[in-house]
Amino acid sequence: QSALTQPASVSGSPGQSITISCTGTSSDVGSYNLVSWYQQHPGKAPKLMIYGVTKRPSGVSNRFSGSKSGNTASLTISGLQAEDEGAYHCCSYVGGSTYVVFGGGTKLTVL
Amino acid sequence: QVQLQESGPGLVKPSETLSLTCTVSGGSISSYYWSWIRQPPGKGLEWIGFIYHSGSTNHNPSLKSRVTISIDTSKNQFSLKLSSVTAADTAVYYCARAEPRSDAFDIWGQGTMVTVSS
Repeated sequence: QSALTQPASVSGSPGQSITISCTGTSSDVGSYNLVSWYQQHPGKAPKLMIYGVTKRPSGVSNRFSGSKSGNTASLTISGLQAEDEGAYHCCSYVGGSTYVVFGGGTKLTVL
Repeated sequence: QVQLQESGPGLVKPSETLSLTCTVSGGSISSYYWSWIRQPPGKGLEWIGFIYHSGSTNHNPSLKSRVTISIDTSKNQFSLKLSSVTAADTAVYYCARAEPRSDAFDIWGQGTMVTVSS
């Protein structure tokens, strides 16, 4: 099972919106509404930001939103803030013995 | 609130077995998938495997033959053993909790760096 494909890096200015894509296949992203997104600051553990493609855990800002079209899931961050800088990882349920697969991660720089 | 804490050696020799334990505090170890996930330096995340409170397990096929995950519900702990390690197994190892209906990892340990070197 190959990793999901994410852009290596994205950037944006404070107040702008950015979108990070996560491309899989019809066997993972395309088959299940079980995509999650994680934010990771340097030297820290990942933090769940989105689950079930579009759902936000309690305490996560509504500036973060998720969507999916076909085999590609997306994370959009609106009203960029300096604290949003870090790495973002997508993850999809695959099922069977593989269970889940992660993307390679995207580094977000707030200019 | 539920917290996870990894513990174990930070240095393992090639061909030996990596052993880590995750202690769950602030809640029960029941009703969730308890996973191990690793991140090589500068790279992405890789799911290693999980164990359910019943003891049923699932492992990444790419590692399956080297991975053993066990659980001790009396101690609220679960453990990872990875045999025949090489330098490619050098990574930060995280334990994490997943809710079976969402299959999302909602709680993570702080992570522990394990280096494979002689």
